Amino acid sequence: EPEVTQTPSHQVTQMGQEVILRCVPISNHLYFYWYRQILGQKVEFLVSFYNNEISEKSEIFDDQFSVERPDGSNFTLKIRSTKLEDSAMYFCASSSGGGRQETQYFGPGTRLLVL
Amino acid sequence: DQQVKQNSPSLSVQEGRISILNCDYTNSMFDYFLWYKKYPAEGPTFLISISSIKDKNEDGRFTVFLNKSAKHLSLHIVPSQPGDSAVYFCAASAANYGQNFVFGPGTRLSVLP
Repeated sequence: EPEVTQTPSHQVTQMGQEVILRCVPISNHLYFYWYRQILGQKVEFLVSFYNNEISEKSEIFDDQFSVERPDGSNFTLKIRSTKLEDSAMYFCASSSGGGRQETQYFGPGTRLLVL
Repeated sequence: DQQVKQNSPSLSVQEGRISILNCDYTNSMFDYFLWYKKYPAEGPTFLISISSIKDKNEDGRFTVFLNKSAKHLSLHIVPSQPGDSAVYFCAASAANYGQNFVFGPGTRLSVLP
Protein backbone atom coordinates (compact mmCIF):
# COMPACT_ATOMS: atom_id res chain seq x y z
CA GLU A 1 0.00 0.00 0.00
CA PRO A 2 1.42 3.42 -0.93
CA GLU A 3 2.53 5.53 1.98
CA VAL A 4 3.98 8.91 2.79
CA THR A 5 7.59 8.78 3.89
CA GLN A 6 9.60 11.37 5.79
CA THR A 7 13.29 11.86 6.39
CA PRO A 8 15.04 12.14 8.70
CA SER A 9 13.09 10.48 11.48
CA HIS A 10 14.97 12.57 14.03
CA GLN A 11 16.89 15.81 13.66
CA VAL A 12 18.86 17.67 16.30
CA THR A 13 20.02 21.17 15.50
CA GLN A 14 21.44 24.22 17.20
CA MET A 15 19.28 27.29 17.67
CA GLY A 16 19.71 29.65 14.75
CA GLN A 17 20.55 26.92 12.26
CA GLU A 18 18.49 26.10 9.19
CA VAL A 19 16.83 22.71 8.82
CA ILE A 20 15.13 21.06 5.88
CA LEU A 21 12.60 18.35 6.53
CA ARG A 22 11.83 16.06 3.63
CA CYS A 23 8.73 14.22 2.60
CA VAL A 24 7.84 11.92 -0.26
CA PRO A 25 4.07 12.07 -0.73
CA ILE A 26 2.02 9.30 -2.28
CA SER A 27 2.91 9.33 -5.95
CA ASN A 28 -0.40 10.26 -7.55
CA HIS A 29 -1.37 12.80 -4.91
CA LEU A 30 -1.49 16.46 -5.82
CA TYR A 31 -2.09 18.19 -2.48
CA PHE A 32 0.51 18.35 0.24
CA TYR A 33 0.48 19.51 3.83
CA TRP A 34 2.70 20.08 6.82
CA TYR A 35 1.56 19.82 10.42
CA ARG A 36 3.43 20.01 13.68
CA GLN A 37 2.82 18.64 17.14
CA ILE A 38 4.71 20.13 20.04
CA LEU A 39 5.26 17.52 22.72
CA GLY A 40 2.15 17.08 24.81
CA GLN A 41 0.10 19.45 22.66
CA LYS A 42 -2.33 19.13 19.79
CA VAL A 43 -1.55 18.62 16.14
CA GLU A 44 -1.47 22.00 14.37
CA PHE A 45 -1.89 22.75 10.67
CA LEU A 46 0.99 24.68 9.13
CA VAL A 47 0.50 24.85 5.39
CA SER A 48 -1.10 23.28 2.35
CA PHE A 49 0.48 23.25 -1.10
CA TYR A 50 -0.90 22.61 -4.56
CA ASN A 51 0.35 23.21 -8.06
CA ASN A 52 3.64 24.58 -6.75
CA GLU A 53 1.94 27.20 -4.65
CA ILE A 54 0.89 27.59 -1.06
CA SER A 55 -2.90 27.17 -0.89
CA GLU A 56 -3.37 27.98 2.75
CA LYS A 57 -1.19 28.67 5.74
CA SER A 58 -1.80 29.12 9.42
CA GLU A 59 -0.59 31.88 11.70
CA ILE A 60 2.23 29.60 12.78
CA PHE A 61 3.66 29.52 9.27
CA ASP A 62 5.56 32.78 9.40
CA ASP A 63 8.51 34.03 7.38
CA GLN A 64 10.93 31.58 8.94
CA PHE A 65 9.11 28.73 7.22
CA SER A 66 9.05 27.87 3.55
CA VAL A 67 7.92 24.92 1.50
CA GLU A 68 9.07 23.65 -1.83
CA ARG A 69 8.54 20.82 -4.25
CA PRO A 70 12.03 20.72 -5.72
CA ASP A 71 11.36 17.77 -8.00
CA GLY A 72 8.56 15.40 -8.94
CA SER A 73 8.68 13.41 -5.75
CA ASN A 74 9.94 15.44 -2.78
CA PHE A 75 8.12 18.02 -0.71
CA THR A 76 10.22 19.95 1.77
CA LEU A 77 9.72 22.19 4.77
CA LYS A 78 12.55 24.60 5.49
CA ILE A 79 12.87 26.34 8.82
CA ARG A 80 15.33 29.22 8.74
CA SER A 81 17.07 30.24 11.94
CA THR A 82 15.43 27.67 14.19
CA LYS A 83 14.20 28.63 17.64
CA LEU A 84 13.86 26.51 20.75
CA GLU A 85 10.09 26.57 20.38
CA ASP A 86 10.35 24.95 16.95
CA SER A 87 11.10 21.67 18.70
CA ALA A 88 8.23 19.42 17.72
CA MET A 89 7.15 16.47 15.63
CA TYR A 90 6.56 17.56 12.06
CA PHE A 91 4.12 15.55 9.97
CA CYS A 92 3.78 15.67 6.23
CA ALA A 93 0.53 14.58 4.60
CA SER A 94 -0.82 14.26 1.09
CA SER A 95 -4.20 13.80 -0.57
CA SER A 96 -5.44 13.16 -4.07
CA GLY A 97 -7.94 15.99 -3.96
CA GLY A 98 -8.08 19.32 -2.19
CA GLY A 99 -11.55 19.26 -0.67
CA ARG A 100 -12.10 18.93 3.05
CA GLN A 101 -13.58 15.50 2.53
CA GLU A 102 -10.46 14.18 0.84
CA THR A 103 -8.57 11.82 3.09
CA GLN A 104 -5.15 13.06 4.04
CA TYR A 105 -2.49 10.40 4.46
CA PHE A 106 0.15 11.23 7.03
CA GLY A 107 3.79 10.28 7.16
CA PRO A 108 5.44 8.97 10.33
CA GLY A 109 6.86 12.36 11.22
CA THR A 110 10.23 13.95 11.85
CA ARG A 111 11.08 14.74 15.42
CA LEU A 112 12.98 18.02 15.51
CA LEU A 113 14.91 19.04 18.59
CA VAL A 114 16.39 22.53 18.71
CA LEU A 115 19.09 23.03 21.33
CA ASP B 1 -7.47 28.89 22.13
CA GLN B 2 -9.17 25.55 22.63
CA GLN B 3 -11.75 25.40 19.92
CA VAL B 4 -11.72 21.61 20.01
CA LYS B 5 -11.56 19.88 23.36
CA GLN B 6 -11.10 16.28 24.36
CA ASN B 7 -11.47 16.42 28.09
CA SER B 8 -10.41 12.86 28.79
CA PRO B 9 -6.66 12.50 28.25
CA SER B 10 -6.94 8.76 28.69
CA LEU B 11 -9.48 5.96 28.74
CA SER B 12 -9.20 2.27 29.60
CA VAL B 13 -11.71 -0.26 28.36
CA GLN B 14 -11.97 -4.01 28.58
CA GLU B 15 -11.66 -5.94 25.32
CA GLY B 16 -15.08 -6.61 23.81
CA ARG B 17 -16.73 -3.66 25.53
CA ILE B 18 -17.67 -0.33 24.02
CA SER B 19 -15.20 2.55 23.92
CA ILE B 20 -16.70 6.03 23.87
CA LEU B 21 -14.41 8.93 23.09
CA ASN B 22 -15.80 12.42 23.43
CA CYS B 23 -15.05 15.70 21.73
CA ASP B 24 -16.51 19.16 22.30
CA TYR B 25 -16.11 22.23 20.15
CA THR B 26 -16.82 25.88 20.64
CA ASN B 27 -16.89 27.30 17.13
CA SER B 28 -20.42 27.11 15.75
CA MET B 29 -19.03 27.53 12.24
CA PHE B 30 -17.48 24.07 12.34
CA ASP B 31 -19.41 21.83 10.00
CA TYR B 32 -17.13 18.94 9.21
CA PHE B 33 -15.45 16.65 11.69
CA LEU B 34 -12.87 13.90 11.57
CA TRP B 35 -11.47 11.29 13.89
CA TYR B 36 -7.87 10.19 13.52
CA LYS B 37 -6.08 7.34 15.24
CA LYS B 38 -2.37 7.51 16.02
CA TYR B 39 -0.04 4.74 17.02
CA PRO B 40 3.38 5.51 18.54
CA ALA B 41 6.04 6.37 15.95
CA GLU B 42 3.43 6.69 13.22
CA GLY B 43 1.49 9.56 11.76
CA PRO B 44 -2.24 10.03 12.35
CA THR B 45 -4.49 7.74 10.32
CA PHE B 46 -7.92 8.85 9.18
CA LEU B 47 -10.67 6.85 10.83
CA ILE B 48 -14.09 8.31 10.16
CA SER B 49 -15.72 11.64 9.37
CA ILE B 50 -19.09 13.31 9.73
CA SER B 51 -20.66 16.33 8.14
CA SER B 52 -23.00 18.59 10.08
CA ILE B 53 -25.90 17.60 7.85
CA LYS B 54 -25.82 14.19 9.52
CA ASP B 55 -25.98 13.15 13.14
CA LYS B 56 -24.48 9.71 12.74
CA ASN B 57 -21.97 7.97 10.53
CA GLU B 58 -21.04 4.34 10.81
CA ASP B 59 -18.13 2.34 9.44
CA GLY B 60 -17.81 -1.17 10.73
CA ARG B 61 -17.02 -1.11 14.44
CA PHE B 62 -16.72 2.68 14.43
CA THR B 63 -19.64 5.08 14.75
CA VAL B 64 -19.45 8.83 15.13
CA PHE B 65 -22.36 10.75 16.60
CA LEU B 66 -22.79 14.49 16.24
CA ASN B 67 -24.96 16.64 18.48
CA LYS B 68 -24.85 20.09 16.90
CA SER B 69 -26.92 21.81 19.54
CA ALA B 70 -24.54 20.62 22.23
CA LYS B 71 -21.48 21.10 20.01
CA HIS B 72 -20.46 17.61 20.91
CA LEU B 73 -19.38 14.56 19.01
CA SER B 74 -18.41 11.12 20.12
CA LEU B 75 -16.70 8.11 18.64
CA HIS B 76 -18.01 4.70 19.60
CA ILE B 77 -15.92 1.62 19.05
CA VAL B 78 -17.70 -1.66 19.56
CA PRO B 79 -16.49 -4.21 20.24
CA SER B 80 -13.17 -2.77 21.36
CA GLN B 81 -10.05 -4.74 20.46
CA PRO B 82 -6.51 -4.54 21.85
CA GLY B 83 -5.35 -3.26 18.46
CA ASP B 84 -7.55 -0.21 18.97
CA SER B 85 -5.17 0.99 21.69
CA ALA B 86 -3.91 4.30 20.34
CA VAL B 87 -4.32 8.05 20.68
CA TYR B 88 -7.51 9.33 19.07
CA PHE B 89 -7.74 12.88 17.78
CA CYS B 90 -10.89 14.74 16.95
CA ALA B 91 -10.54 17.47 14.31
CA ALA B 92 -12.96 20.08 13.02
CA SER B 93 -13.21 22.38 10.08
CA ALA B 94 -15.40 25.25 8.92
CA ALA B 95 -16.16 25.94 5.29
CA ASN B 96 -14.00 29.04 5.27
CA TYR B 97 -11.11 27.21 6.95
CA GLY B 98 -10.41 25.14 3.87
CA GLN B 99 -7.99 22.39 4.73
CA ASN B 100 -7.02 24.03 8.03
CA PHE B 101 -8.40 21.50 10.47
CA VAL B 102 -8.37 22.31 14.18
CA PHE B 103 -7.33 19.32 16.23
CA GLY B 104 -8.17 18.36 19.77
CA PRO B 105 -5.42 17.32 22.17
CA GLY B 106 -6.21 13.62 21.86
CA THR B 107 -7.41 10.81 24.09
CA ARG B 108 -5.22 7.80 24.75
CA LEU B 109 -7.33 4.64 24.58
CA SER B 110 -6.08 1.47 26.19
CA VAL B 111 -8.03 -1.69 25.45
CA LEU B 112 -7.20 -4.31 28.03
CA PRO B 113 -7.25 -7.98 27.05
